[in-house]
Amino acid sequence: DVKVTQSSRYLVKRTGEKVFLECVQDMDHENMFWYRQDPGLGLRLIYFSYDVKMKEKGDIPEGYSVSREKKERFSLILESASTNQTSMYLCASSSWTGWLGTEAFFGQGTRLTVV
Amino acid sequence: GQQVMQIPQYQHVQEGEDFTTYCNSSTTLSNIQWYKQRPGGHPVFLIQLVKSGEVKKQKRLTFQFGEAKKNSSLHITATQTTDVGTYFCAGEGGTSYGKLTFGQGTILTVHP
Repeated sequence: DVKVTQSSRYLVKRTGEKVFLECVQDMDHENMFWYRQDPGLGLRLIYFSYDVKMKEKGDIPEGYSVSREKKERFSLILESASTNQTSMYLCASSSWTGWLGTEAFFGQGTRLTVV
Repeated sequence: GQQVMQIPQYQHVQEGEDFTTYCNSSTTLSNIQWYKQRPGGHPVFLIQLVKSGEVKKQKRLTFQFGEAKKNSSLHITATQTTDVGTYFCAGEGGTSYGKLTFGQGTILTVHP
């Protein structure tokens, strides 16, 4: 069974704190994603990584950075948390066939509240 | 950048009625995927469509990929209460291989 594990299910942080969200997958997938999910807005892509140390900005990268030092781990960093970053954060991974990506597997999500 | 629009945002149906959600991309896609998210859960993969004009069926669910590979639809025949949830389309295309862009999702409510 593919597993995508996010380090925390719920997180409460203060404004201005540096926040790390960790995601680990165990299927040797090339692609990893960070999305945030807000009511009415669907899943918006923050960052995408297609290989170790490789990253690409998504639709809403402002205020976020990412790190992928190992293939299985993809970290999302909120440099200085703000209240408008309160959201559900979803990590996903998928494989790469050489010409298209395969199905994405999602973690359980991290509900982040910034106070 | 690539945009994927999905309509409607909400759909309420009586059990037994049909349901359709539509997805449109601003750019040509290499493939499109569909996901279902149950309340309180995370998105779960349903299907992937790759070929122009492709139609796939899974029991009561029918998925179509447009000829121009810029639109797609999901049709559920005779909905059941177990169909409730949010249905998302996700497109991969353009110059970013492997990058999945999701639509806003359609929230389906089925009244018994």
